[in-house]
Amino acid sequence: DVKVTQSSRYLVKRTGEKVFLECVQDMDHENMFWYRQDPGLGLRLIYFSYDVKMKEKGDIPEGYSVSREKKERFSLILESASTNQTSMYLCATGRNTGELFFGEGSRLTVL
Amino acid sequence: GQNIDQPTEMTATEGAIVQINCTYQTSGFNGLFWYQQHAGEAPTFLSYNVLDGLEEKGRFSSFLSRSKGYSYLLLKELQMKDSASYLCAVRDPTGYALNFGKGTSLLVTP
Repeated sequence: DVKVTQSSRYLVKRTGEKVFLECVQDMDHENMFWYRQDPGLGLRLIYFSYDVKMKEKGDIPEGYSVSREKKERFSLILESASTNQTSMYLCATGRNTGELFFGEGSRLTVL
Repeated sequence: GQNIDQPTEMTATEGAIVQINCTYQTSGFNGLFWYQQHAGEAPTFLSYNVLDGLEEKGRFSSFLSRSKGYSYLLLKELQMKDSASYLCAVRDPTGYALNFGKGTSLLVTP
């Protein structure tokens, strides 16, 4: 079974704090993704990576950055958290064909 | 970009059949996916269509018409545990990411 592990299920941060969300996968997938999910808006792609050290912007990259130093790990960074970044963050992995596999999600609240 | 539309909410009765529709507009088509997501949980993969026609998997079937930009997910013999959000997604023309619709919240009632 594919395992996609996100470091924290729930986080509470203050406005202006730096936030790291980590995602680790154990299936040697080339591609990794960060989405955010908000009521009424669905899943929106923030960033993705198709190889180590490679990254591509998704639909809503503003206010976020990512890092992929190792194939199995993809980090999402909020340099200065804002209240409008309160959301559920979902990491996903996959190959170039086939479906994506999702982690359990990280629910971030920014006060 | 890609425009993906699906109904916001549906209600159906236990034991019945329900069809959830999805329409999409895309500059290039690389496959359509359906996911199920229970409240507070991760989306889980249900089905994949890349060619026209019906794909059947147990109680769930998915249909695709590429010329019409249309798909549906058919759930038979509904059970209470089928109450969930159903997400339609189209693979991005670049071939990497999936672009999701806003999801259809299905409520199964006794």
